[in-house]
Amino acid sequence: DAKTTQPTSMDCAEGRAANLPCNHSTISGNEYVYWYRQIHSQGPQYIIHGLKNNETNEMASLIITEDRKSSTLILPHATLRDTAVYYCIVKRNAGNMLTFGGGTRLMVKP
Amino acid sequence: GAGVSQSPSNKVTEKGKDVELRCDPISGHTALYWYRQSLGQGLEFLIYFQGNSAPDKSGLPSDRFSAERTGGSVSTLTIQRTQQEDSAVYLCASSNYHTDTQYFGPGTRLTVL
Repeated sequence: DAKTTQPTSMDCAEGRAANLPCNHSTISGNEYVYWYRQIHSQGPQYIIHGLKNNETNEMASLIITEDRKSSTLILPHATLRDTAVYYCIVKRNAGNMLTFGGGTRLMVKP
Repeated sequence: GAGVSQSPSNKVTEKGKDVELRCDPISGHTALYWYRQSLGQGLEFLIYFQGNSAPDKSGLPSDRFSAERTGGSVSTLTIQRTQQEDSAVYLCASSNYHTDTQYFGPGTRLTVL
């Protein structure tokens, strides 16, 4: 599975949009981009995933560049409860384990 | 509906004792994964079950670790003769094979004294 690169940490003001970038320049055509987050002392929580089209659900939006070498997770109105470590993962679908890198520690501030 | 559940939530044991950790996956999910996460570290894959296929045990760190999945549903991870380095949070995840979006349980925090 392709390797990803994310900033170590980011701050965001409460109520503002949080934009979390991820580089995955070696992504293959059959690999998906997944985002998970982990709030302190809890299990990882699935957020969203996509292949090449932009995706939106009740939690977030995922913007994937046309060349698929990078993506951005957008939390439209960040709250204090969104403070967590966010992981961008690239993997083939079906039957593959997840490999978490360092992730981005997002701190939402009042 | 109900998510992935794990029990116990916390387990403290003495070095050398055996422990069993339980995972109840989301109903209908055919795939089940076990991971562990040491303090401040990423996920370490342990074992993967898919339907009736032979499990992928490639991540088990030693022969002290084993896992079963009965009836294609509940899974038990067993650690024999526990060591202090086994202390970690053990996480279970399940997925529908076709979408393979893995949903995690809350984990079991194992402390070996």
